[in-house]
Amino acid sequence: RKEVEQDPGPFNVPEGATVAFNCTYSNSASQSFFWYRQDCRKEPKLLMSVYSSGNEDGRFTAQLNRASQYISLLIRDSKLSDSATYLCVVNPRDNYGQNFVFGPGTRLSVLP
Amino acid sequence: EAQVTQNPRYLITVTGKKLTVTCSQNMNHEYMSWYRQDPGLGLRQIYYSMNVEVTDKGDVPEGYKVSRKEKRNFPLILESPSPNQTSLYFCASSLSGGPALYNEQFFGPGTRLTVL
Repeated sequence: RKEVEQDPGPFNVPEGATVAFNCTYSNSASQSFFWYRQDCRKEPKLLMSVYSSGNEDGRFTAQLNRASQYISLLIRDSKLSDSATYLCVVNPRDNYGQNFVFGPGTRLSVLP
Repeated sequence: EAQVTQNPRYLITVTGKKLTVTCSQNMNHEYMSWYRQDPGLGLRQIYYSMNVEVTDKGDVPEGYKVSRKEKRNFPLILESPSPNQTSLYFCASSLSGGPALYNEQFFGPGTRLTVL
């Protein structure tokens, strides 16, 4: 089983739709979780960190479920500019020794 | 402008010919890292460095070397490249090696390497 798994998609949704991505991780000791966004042939950029209590940033909401070992990303009112690949990232060992593990990414296409 | 730079951006080489991909950051970051990205596999960490002269292996270090003699630079060295090292490479940096939750990684633009 891979350490971090994501549905590769693609998710094709119309503008204005709400879309949710899930990500599962295998290491129950994992401490830190993130969502990064990657546009085609570009470098990844941090979208949001995922806090234990869940967090929201505008149209984006991230949730963490430690018991089931998954994190989720919800995008409301999708925009064309949201089209990208969304990467789930887990740090299996917090504090020192940052060894980030990336999921394969979920591709989103928002259609007009 | 705060940034991570990589050179070259594109490289085609032949098996066995030593090469170095440079990475430099101007944000005074302590932590730097190298990843490779392959279709269906996502980004995989090759090596990382917590600070000057402190480096450690990531998940796929075989066939690569790194050094961290200065804080700003973290070159990736392929002593004898092979076709299975054909990939898209990213360098990244973050402020420190402290709690990861508060350390956004900033990525360079990527280096597309082809080994024939």
